[in-house]
Amino acid sequence: GQNIDQPTEMTATEGAIVQINCTYQTSGFNGLFWYQQHAGEAPTFLSYNVLDGLEEKGRFSSFLSRSKGYSYLLLKELQMKDSASYLCAPSQILTGGGNKLTFGTGTQLKVEL
Amino acid sequence: EAQVTQNPRYLITVTGKKLTVTCSQNMNHEYMSWYRQDPGLGLRQIYYSMNVEVTDKGDVPEGYKVSRKEKRNFPLILESPSPNQTSLYFCASRQDRGSGNEQFFGPGTRLTVL
Repeated sequence: GQNIDQPTEMTATEGAIVQINCTYQTSGFNGLFWYQQHAGEAPTFLSYNVLDGLEEKGRFSSFLSRSKGYSYLLLKELQMKDSASYLCAPSQILTGGGNKLTFGTGTQLKVEL
Repeated sequence: EAQVTQNPRYLITVTGKKLTVTCSQNMNHEYMSWYRQDPGLGLRQIYYSMNVEVTDKGDVPEGYKVSRKEKRNFPLILESPSPNQTSLYFCASRQDRGSGNEQFFGPGTRLTVL
């Protein structure tokens, strides 16, 4: 089964740093994705972590601790265009083969001047 | 351009009138799936397909059907739509069943059932 928890909303200031946390309880866990979704648009891929540690990609970084069932997405030098919903999505191995992504309800980030 | 396309983008229909939402990808992906997104509930998987003629139920399959006769197409069928199927629908695909493969989403179909 799956249980994914992330804050519903966050507000931050342009130019600042924000950390969005996600905790999960996922059987057959084999990695975690972060997606960004602007209102009314499709989700777009941000990052993937399968091993413990930090993955950095430009202004965005993602961290994973498998033993703690915990991940965070770190956004630096915030811009107004970063205002969006951020979806945490653990992946699990299916008994019949293959993998399944289950999405959290998302964290709505608002970037203010 | 690599993409997932869906049609129609917007649809208003009435209860009981059968409809099909098409999905097509041009990336030769094996894995395709359908999600619905509702406020406060997030993205929930309806059906998925690991390859041609291989489909399986996701978390909320009731009231939906799918088919995968060709690798590129994965239509979603609502045989008798009801108002509780009013939602934003996304089709998605990814390379194969590997764990780290990015999933690409279509632009979404906003369905209203009156």
